[in-house]
Amino acid sequence: AQSVTQLDSHVSVSEGTPVLLRCNYSSSYSPSLFWYVQHPNKGLQLLLKYTSAATLVKGINGFEAEFKKSETSFHLTKPSAHMSDAAEYFCVVRPNTGGFKTIFGAGTRLFVKA
Amino acid sequence: DAMVIQNPRYQVTQFGKPVTLSCSQTLNHNVMYWYQQKSSQAPKLLFHYYDKDFNNEADTPDNFQSRRPNTSFCFLDIRSPGLGDAAMYLCATSEVHQPQHFGDGTRLSIL
Repeated sequence: AQSVTQLDSHVSVSEGTPVLLRCNYSSSYSPSLFWYVQHPNKGLQLLLKYTSAATLVKGINGFEAEFKKSETSFHLTKPSAHMSDAAEYFCVVRPNTGGFKTIFGAGTRLFVKA
Repeated sequence: DAMVIQNPRYQVTQFGKPVTLSCSQTLNHNVMYWYQQKSSQAPKLLFHYYDKDFNNEADTPDNFQSRRPNTSFCFLDIRSPGLGDAAMYLCATSEVHQPQHFGDGTRLSIL
């Protein structure tokens, strides 16, 4: 069975401080993993993806994530938060079974304080 | 440079009155998806097309239908909208086994 758990429903940081959004996954098959960001009344934008190449993945807007198979984690980080980072973030798993199913985490709302 | 375009952005319909939401893409992707997203929830996949091959999720209500007349366009038809169908509807596209590209969604309200 495949599943995605985002460990925090809300995260609040001050502008200029580091961001950590946590994601754990469960997959019977070697998965592809993604992080998406959603601003209010907008669609989802791809931040970064892991597809079995380098375990440290760099994305857009200064975000990066590290795939840790032993911990089944794919946490999203950014060294310094900006006000514009305030949004909803989704961790997504796609089992590499040849189908189109993608499994979304419940989302983490990031608040950035001035 | 919009790549996945959803129209309209906001749609209001009456309880029980059929409504159609549209999605177009300029990416020429094989796969098109429709998601329903309710407030503070993750998107929920309703169905997808792989070229002309339609794939319905097991728990998608019969009230929801879709059409894909060509590669560029895909429609979501809600035959008899109920109050519980008020939501954001997201269209996405992808190549096979590649990340999905999302439109900005259509927010549907039911009166």
